[in-house]
Amino acid sequence: QSVLTQPPSASGTPGQRVTLSCSGSSSNIGVNTVNWYQQLPETAPKLLIFSNSRRPSGVPDRFSGSKSGTSASLVISGLQSEDEADYFCATWDDGLKGPVFGGGTKLTVL
Amino acid sequence: QVQLQESGPGLVKPLETLSLNCSVSGGSISRYFWIWIRQAPGKGLEWIGYVSYVRNINYNPSLKSRVTISVDTSRNHISLKLTSVTAADTAVYFCARSGTYSSDAFDIWGQGTMVTVSS
Repeated sequence: QSVLTQPPSASGTPGQRVTLSCSGSSSNIGVNTVNWYQQLPETAPKLLIFSNSRRPSGVPDRFSGSKSGTSASLVISGLQSEDEADYFCATWDDGLKGPVFGGGTKLTVL
Repeated sequence: QVQLQESGPGLVKPLETLSLNCSVSGGSISRYFWIWIRQAPGKGLEWIGYVSYVRNINYNPSLKSRVTISVDTSRNHISLKLTSVTAADTAVYFCARSGTYSSDAFDIWGQGTMVTVSS
C-alpha cells in the first residue's frame, strides 16, 4: 500500500491534455514539495518535475506540475506516443523521515 | 557525467542476506544524498534507506531491523545489506542520487538490478 494515492491508469489521444493526480496527507504533501517521475518500460525512473512545478534541464515544457494543499497534479499537454509510461509522484514524509511515493499511474496513449 | 551501477547476485535464497553495491563513476560520493529504492514486479517504488552528505543514515521503518547501508569513499560505492530475505523482497533494486535540484529529487539513477528470492 503506497503512502501517496494515484489512480492506477489514465489514457489520452495524441495532442490531448492529460492530468494525473496525486493525493497525500498533512505529514507529506501538505508540508513538503512534490516531485514527479516518468518510468518507461524496463528502465529506471526519470525525474520529470521537482519542487512542485520546476522542470529539470531537458524536460519539455509540455510537462507541468502543481500542488494545492495535500494534493498535486501533473499535466501533460500535447500528448505524444512516447509519453506512454508509468508516472509516480513523490514527496518527503516528515513522520517517516524519508521519501514516499505514489503507486504510479500507467498512462496509455490511444 | 555521473553514472551509477548496481551489482550483486540476482538470486538469493530465503533467509539469507542480500548484498548489493552501487558503484559511482564520474563524481565523488562525498557530497549529495544517496538512496536505495526498490520496485517489486508490477508495483510502485519503495525507499529502503539513504545516506546524506553529512553521513546521516536513515532506514525505512518497515525494513529498519534488516537493513544496513554503508559508504566506502575510497572505492566510491554505497553498499546495501538486507538480512533474512523472503519472497517479498524480490524486486528491482535501484540506487539513486539527489542534490542537483533539491535534496529529495532523485535525478540520477542506476539501471537497477533484479533480485529474486527463491530456493
